[in-house]
Amino acid sequence: EPEVTQTPSHQVTQMGQEVILRCVPISNHLYFYWYRQILGQKVEFLVSFYNNEISEKSEIFDDQFSVERPDGSNFTLKIRSTKLEDSAMYFCASSRELSTDTQYFGPGTRLTVL
Amino acid sequence: GNSVTQMEGPVTLSEEAFLTINCTYTATGYPSLFWYVQYPGEGLQLLLKATKADDKGSNKGFEATYRKETTSFHLEKGSVQVSDSAVYFCALVNNAGKSTFGDGTTLTVKP
Repeated sequence: EPEVTQTPSHQVTQMGQEVILRCVPISNHLYFYWYRQILGQKVEFLVSFYNNEISEKSEIFDDQFSVERPDGSNFTLKIRSTKLEDSAMYFCASSRELSTDTQYFGPGTRLTVL
Repeated sequence: GNSVTQMEGPVTLSEEAFLTINCTYTATGYPSLFWYVQYPGEGLQLLLKATKADDKGSNKGFEATYRKETTSFHLEKGSVQVSDSAVYFCALVNNAGKSTFGDGTTLTVKP
């Protein structure tokens, strides 16, 4: 069964450094998403992406964040200058359709900012 | 904006007990509703879904019915097992594909 994969599983970085989190969505999916989950808290929407453009973003997704689909398979989330409060689990998801279709989640990348 | 309210946890049950985790939502339009399960140290797994009013989603003995009149999507299971111990998240997806999650409910099932 196809699945969403994410690398790395755990990333440790120093405050102020740039990080890139990588995701490989399910191959025939067209819509891609990033979510984050701060330890012990709810899952929060960050951004949705389709046709090489951001479809929607939350207030969390400020100028420090960017997304890109650099090739036909990868979908990345970049945080330019990490802050302590960026420490969280970041989940990538993909779906075939934008509307109310099922989003399939990857296993997540745990980001720790020191 | 959209919101999802879940029954506060944690919930502790004995094996074979009946489970209900309440979920209510506020949304514009006609969202789809989902239950996800998260086992310790793992990602989110889709448990079940319902895409329109009166639909019932079911999987692995879990069920939830999309009730538009009460804006609810309560999760139920007739007989829980120790292996069901996890965090359960209720979520909705709107027409723009944005998911809104509840706070999560931690379920512990004791033998």
